[in-house]
Amino acid sequence: GIQVEQSPPDLILQEGANSTLRCNFSDSVNNLQWFHQNPWGQLINLFYIPSGTKQNGRLSATTVATERYSLLYISSSQTTDSGVYFCAVDRDSGYSTLTFGKGTMLLVSP
Amino acid sequence: DAMVIQNPRYQVTQFGKPVTLSCSQTLNHNVMYWYQQKSSQAPKLLFHYYDKDFNNEADTPDNFQSRRPNTSFCFLDIRSPGLGDAAMYLCATSREGTGLSPLHFGNGTRLTVT
Repeated sequence: GIQVEQSPPDLILQEGANSTLRCNFSDSVNNLQWFHQNPWGQLINLFYIPSGTKQNGRLSATTVATERYSLLYISSSQTTDSGVYFCAVDRDSGYSTLTFGKGTMLLVSP
Repeated sequence: DAMVIQNPRYQVTQFGKPVTLSCSQTLNHNVMYWYQQKSSQAPKLLFHYYDKDFNNEADTPDNFQSRRPNTSFCFLDIRSPGLGDAAMYLCATSREGTGLSPLHFGNGTRLTVT
């Protein structure tokens, strides 16, 4: 099956710093999604981004499907950005399902 | 707001005692999923329904069953919970499959097995 690798596995930032999280995948995909899981366990869909660039406030994401990677940018980080960021890909447009990476754990300290 | 709702937020059951977790959605999405997530791991898909069509993952234990009586509701039944089944259980929906539409999660039910 498709492999999804996220880096770095852990990241500690000072509040206000910027960061880039990376997601590599081993085969062509039909879709890619980024999620944030907060310390209470809630998973929020950040981006649905099979290709191109999207922005949502301080967060933006870029997927280069031909080179099999996606980047999540966090600018001016806040303590509420802490948690685990998951990348997940889907190879198909039919009855297929998402394959998740292992996640990047982010801690933003005040 | 349209959303995915899971009840209860926390569930405690005894070893071997059947337990049912519930999920409802107001998004009118066709697909509903159940994931299991253990500490420091990614969510692991157990099964999903595309409308009424049930799709079981190959490595989902027989101890886990699911029901989807209508579009809005989906249930996860654990027939004889073991200590290893203690986890966060996440329900999710998508309008079509995740190759075509975003995945939306509920807040999860954290299951403890004593």
